[in-house]
Amino acid sequence: EVQLVESGGGVVRPGGSLRLSCAASGFTFDDYVMSWVRQVPGKGLEWVSGINWNGGSRGYADSVKGRFTISRDNAKKSLYLQMNSLRAEDTALYYCARVWTGTYYFDSWGQGTLVTVSS
Amino acid sequence: EIVMAQSPATLSVSPGERATLSCRASQSISSNLAWYQQKPGQAPRLLIYDASTRATGIPARFSGSGSGTEFTLTISSLQSEDFAVYYCQQYNKWPPYTFGQGTKLEIK
Repeated sequence: EVQLVESGGGVVRPGGSLRLSCAASGFTFDDYVMSWVRQVPGKGLEWVSGINWNGGSRGYADSVKGRFTISRDNAKKSLYLQMNSLRAEDTALYYCARVWTGTYYFDSWGQGTLVTVSS
Repeated sequence: EIVMAQSPATLSVSPGERATLSCRASQSISSNLAWYQQKPGQAPRLLIYDASTRATGIPARFSGSGSGTEFTLTISSLQSEDFAVYYCQQYNKWPPYTFGQGTKLEIK
């Protein structure tokens, strides 16, 4: 069974940093592109970032480009999101999602970790 | 950026009836469209990909259609567990991969 478990969320002040982690199990992690998708509570979904199997290709939404960095450690079967210069508008539930091979829809999702940016 | 527009924002339907949800792309996305279902307190769940292919384990009452810029998700006979929020997502062109704003399907 595919499992994705996010961690690292919390409350941080504007301008602060946070690192999210996603632990994967139940599948061959380095066979898959992985992504982060976020959701402001009560609102819609926003793709944040994605990374290919070896980290050689990464993409970001304009809203986070230059502030967030996605990475992965295939040996640890883990995905990360380093978030710097956080803003109030980054407050959201952050989901780790697996991307189906050869395309870019999300076939498995974690339960999310909540990031709150507030002074 | 490709903008995805879903309609209606809220749809009220009685159990056992048919529900039809729409999604429109601001430019052609071929058949590179997915539909997700999200219930309160849960992560989204993949229902349909490539516009019309049901994901593993999804009941046959869910069907998707369309190509280009106009897409439809149909639920043929609503069950109580189907009342949720539904999102469409395009994956034709990135970044970014964009979602619609969602349609809330509620019990009439």
